[in-house]
Amino acid sequence: NAGVTQTPKFQVLKTGQSMTLQCAQDMNHNSMYWYRQDPGMGLRLIYYSASEGTTDKGEVPNGYNVSRLNKREFSLRLESAAPSQTSVYFCASSGNRGSNEKLFFGSGTQLSVL
Amino acid sequence: AQRVTQPEKLLSVFKGAPVELKCNYSYSGSPELFWYVQYSRQRLQLLLRHISRESIKGFTADLNKGETSFHLKKPFAQEEDSAMYYCALSWGGSEKLVFGKGTKLTVNP
Repeated sequence: NAGVTQTPKFQVLKTGQSMTLQCAQDMNHNSMYWYRQDPGMGLRLIYYSASEGTTDKGEVPNGYNVSRLNKREFSLRLESAAPSQTSVYFCASSGNRGSNEKLFFGSGTQLSVL
Repeated sequence: AQRVTQPEKLLSVFKGAPVELKCNYSYSGSPELFWYVQYSRQRLQLLLRHISRESIKGFTADLNKGETSFHLKKPFAQEEDSAMYYCALSWGGSEKLVFGKGTKLTVNP
């Protein structure tokens, strides 16, 4: 019973490097989200996808791109990593559009940008 | 804009003492409020939501629209309640949740 799976769990990048964080859910959920968690800042929404083929900006989208590859997968890409992007990244999914069902979270990716 | 405020970054109580984690929100319509919890080295998980009016692990929370608050309460705290707690708001059928900055609860023996 996997739920929401994120890879990798840990990553260290140098400034300017690029990488993609992967997320997959097996609950047939329509909506998927990327949040970042920073001390004293709580969770802030980066991007979300209400359904396959759609993506929208959240509160802090700058420096990130996303792809909703299919219903299961929602990836987050850092094209040119910066130290300010050092954070813990959480992927989440939820049920039917407009139903406000609870979010299911992945276990997080701890990213350090040197 | 919708906002969630958790005024306490840190909260420390002794085992058996009552605990209240404060949450205030700003939204003029009818919100949906949630409490999420993150235990050490575990993923975030839903603790409770106001429309369910349920008690989970002894915690309750009542939506007070007059005071725009959704405080989380437990009459007798346990050491295993030590965790990070986030209040969150959703609105108007939105798929998005806005989170507060979180309160780290420590229950001392």
